Amino acid sequence: KNEVEQSPQNLTAQEGEFITINCSYSVGISALHWLQQHPGGGIVSLFMLSSGKKKHGRLIATINIQEKHSSLHITASHPRDSAVYICAVRSKGTSYDKVIFGPGTSLSVIP
Amino acid sequence: NAGVTQTPKFRVLKTGQSMTLLCAQDMNHEYMYWYRQDPGMGLRLIHYSVGEGTTAKGEVPDGYNVSRLKKQNFLLGLESAAPSQTSVYFCASSYLPQTVLGELFFGEGSRLTVL
Repeated sequence: KNEVEQSPQNLTAQEGEFITINCSYSVGISALHWLQQHPGGGIVSLFMLSSGKKKHGRLIATINIQEKHSSLHITASHPRDSAVYICAVRSKGTSYDKVIFGPGTSLSVIP
Repeated sequence: NAGVTQTPKFRVLKTGQSMTLLCAQDMNHEYMYWYRQDPGMGLRLIHYSVGEGTTAKGEVPDGYNVSRLKKQNFLLGLESAAPSQTSVYFCASSYLPQTVLGELFFGEGSRLTVL
């Protein structure tokens, strides 16, 4: 079982829809990252969270530390949001601190 | 501004051949990392470096070697390529270590196929 899991694995939405991508993890963490990987391959950081909620434009990220769960929401989705969204956690209490990446959620937004 | 640049972007190798992937960053970052990305799996750390002249093993180091002779460059070598090393390789750098709330800057990726 992966230490960081994401759902759904693939998602197709119509332009304008509200989208939710979920991330659950099984390790103790001190921070969680949401990353975006475009079809060209480049990966960029969207959010870093340790508690609560963050908003940037149409993107909202929330985290529930007790439930070991985070969600990434996209409001009024647009075809340019089509990308792979990756959840990553900074784990603590292991032999060496490390960032563990989820498998990614592939989002396709259709005009 | 270039950021993190990887070369080559694509390469096909035969089993047993050797090759080197080059990662260059122009942000004066101390920390550099090599990851591999495989279908259905998250990015996995191969090797990393916390400064010029230093390297350390990550989660999946077997079959790879690295060098950090200059601060701006981090090389990933495959001495004898195997089909299991078919993957997309990403280099990343950061000013702060990945274990601190800091940002990772990624290269565009290098797709390697071993036949």
